Amino acid sequence: EADIYQTPRYLVIGTGKKITLECSQTMGHDKMYWYQQDPGMELHLIHYSYGVNSTEKGDLSSESTVSRIRTEHFPLTLESARPSHTSQYLCASSPDRGTEQFFGPGTRLTVL
Amino acid sequence: GENVEQHPSTLSVQEGDSAVIKCTYSDSASNYFPWYKQELGKRPQLIIDIRSNVGEKKDQRIAVTLNKTAKHFSLHITETQPEDSAVYFCAATRSGNTPLVFGKGTRLSVIA
Repeated sequence: EADIYQTPRYLVIGTGKKITLECSQTMGHDKMYWYQQDPGMELHLIHYSYGVNSTEKGDLSSESTVSRIRTEHFPLTLESARPSHTSQYLCASSPDRGTEQFFGPGTRLTVL
Repeated sequence: GENVEQHPSTLSVQEGDSAVIKCTYSDSASNYFPWYKQELGKRPQLIIDIRSNVGEKKDQRIAVTLNKTAKHFSLHITETQPEDSAVYFCAATRSGNTPLVFGKGTRLSVIA
């Protein structure tokens, strides 16, 4: 079934660790996005990509990086995790010529 | 760039009553306006969307209206049910390579 997958679903780590949140989609979409969201609160765009080797920064991009080497894969890396990074991270994708976004189930990150 | 304001931030209604959530946008070139519903602990999901060449769109108990002159659009939910309780997000964008800009969300509670 075509969907968006995120791993891990839950992660608890210590301050200063480097982490990578994985996002893969089998929907054949060119556009992919990362959002940070405290539960039930505002969606903050962190990074987005319009295709392989294309990445753009969103409103909340500092302290994280992304890569887009394959169409279906869009990992997010935090070089040095801090307690302020504690949040839910949502990956999304959309068709190249459409604008509806489909969201993944999210990764809930806790930094101690 | 685009700015989307959403009101109210919280809304409580009695079961069976109607609920209305309003959003205003700033970019007159925006032409796509989706609404997302996010239930507790779940991912946001598209419930209805409207494009700028249409003034109103309905899908069973939900409807969206768009006033391009005033640059605002609204979500209407009739005959509300407890399962309508969720956070609702409006968004706006000009189609193409521009990310959706989301409002800050409205927490709707339907009281049985």
